[in-house]
Amino acid sequence: DAGVIQSPRHEVTEMGQEVTLRCKPISGHNSLFWYRQTMMRGLELLIYFNNNVPIDDSGMPEDRFSAKMPNASFSTLKIQPSEPRDSAVYFCASSWDSGGTDTQYFGPGTRLTVL
Amino acid sequence: ELKVEQNPLFLSMQEGKNYTIYCNYSTTSDRLYWYRQDPGKSLESLFVLLSNGAVKQEGRLMASLDTKARLSTLHITAAVHDLSATYFCAVEGSGGGADGLTFGKGTHLIIQP
Repeated sequence: DAGVIQSPRHEVTEMGQEVTLRCKPISGHNSLFWYRQTMMRGLELLIYFNNNVPIDDSGMPEDRFSAKMPNASFSTLKIQPSEPRDSAVYFCASSWDSGGTDTQYFGPGTRLTVL
Repeated sequence: ELKVEQNPLFLSMQEGKNYTIYCNYSTTSDRLYWYRQDPGKSLESLFVLLSNGAVKQEGRLMASLDTKARLSTLHITAAVHDLSATYFCAVEGSGGGADGLTFGKGTHLIIQP
């Protein structure tokens, strides 16, 4: 299995630009999560989907952030317009919600730098 | 609001020694996770603990869960340099089904020869 795939792995952009991060979950998984990691705030949940439906987006910091999951194999996290404080590593994770040991498997992350 | 506290946040120890990392959480939760992160890398799942008294072991690492005390421990036995990493505990909400994780701040572990 290829694991969770994220692209791009690194993104450098200027303040005010639109940024789109992409995630392909593990095949067969029905839950997808977006997290952000910074030195100051640690790991934070941004939003998660179950069966392609957004369940909880209370962690999305501002209206500048939006996420979609148009099908079971693809999700995007968009920041528009980007700001320097958005610089972080963004992780996507997926799991199979079986009601049992639903380990969340993390992708390699996208390191975003906003200048 | 679910809060997760780990201690210590930083630990330097010598090879061959034993030590324990503690994870306290503030509200009832279905599941507790331990992850490992190497510098510049992603998170690797180590353990998932589901019930009170659960104990899991993998190599030199052993994790346990006390849901009544809302406490999990990660015990390291006879540490080796390869275990140097940052270890996170994370708790899943009690809403049923898959839920997002709330992470502790992590324990940065350095094991010196």
